[in-house]
Amino acid sequence: RKEVEQDPGPFNVPEGATVAFNCTYSNSASQSFFWYRQDCRKEPKLLMSVYSSGNEDGRFTAQLNRASQYISLLIRDSKLSDSATYLCVVRMDSSYKLIFGSGTRLLVRP
Amino acid sequence: DAGVIQSPRHEVTEMGQEVTLRCKPISGHNSLFWYRQTMMRGLELLIYFNNNVPIDDSGMPEDRFSAKMPNASFSTLKIQPSEPRDSAVYFCASRTWDPSSEQYFGPGTRLTVT
Repeated sequence: RKEVEQDPGPFNVPEGATVAFNCTYSNSASQSFFWYRQDCRKEPKLLMSVYSSGNEDGRFTAQLNRASQYISLLIRDSKLSDSATYLCVVRMDSSYKLIFGSGTRLLVRP
Repeated sequence: DAGVIQSPRHEVTEMGQEVTLRCKPISGHNSLFWYRQTMMRGLELLIYFNNNVPIDDSGMPEDRFSAKMPNASFSTLKIQPSEPRDSAVYFCASRTWDPSSEQYFGPGTRLTVT
């Protein structure tokens, strides 16, 4: 079983739609959680950290459920520019090591 | 500010040849990571340096792979001899000493071994 699992997609949605991605992690010792964005043929970039109480950054909302070992990312009012692969990432407390999921691909169509 | 710099951006080589990938971390960052990304395996950590010292090389696939960091501003990842299954995108990333700080990735080197 992979340490971080994601639905690879692709999710194909029209502009303006709301889309949600889910991610599960296997190690209950994981303490820090992130969503990274990777555009085609580019490097991954940090989109947002995920906090226990949930957090929002503009159109993006991240949620964490420690009991179920589950992380989500909600994108409201999708834009064409949101088309990318979204990587779920976890880290053990005080560890240097980031564990990446394989990513969920999002395609936003006009 | 310059981000993480990697060279070359693209490398095509024949099986059996030596390949050297280069990375210059962000100035002031003392932690450096080498990753490999493939469709099959996703993004995998190969090796991690802290203050130029290799801390964890458990992700290095085999002895054909080696990495060095001779100083704070330069690191290399070498594959000798290269094999077609080494074809991937290799990313270098750096961050400050604080484990909670963001890792910044370089643009990657796309390696094709024929």
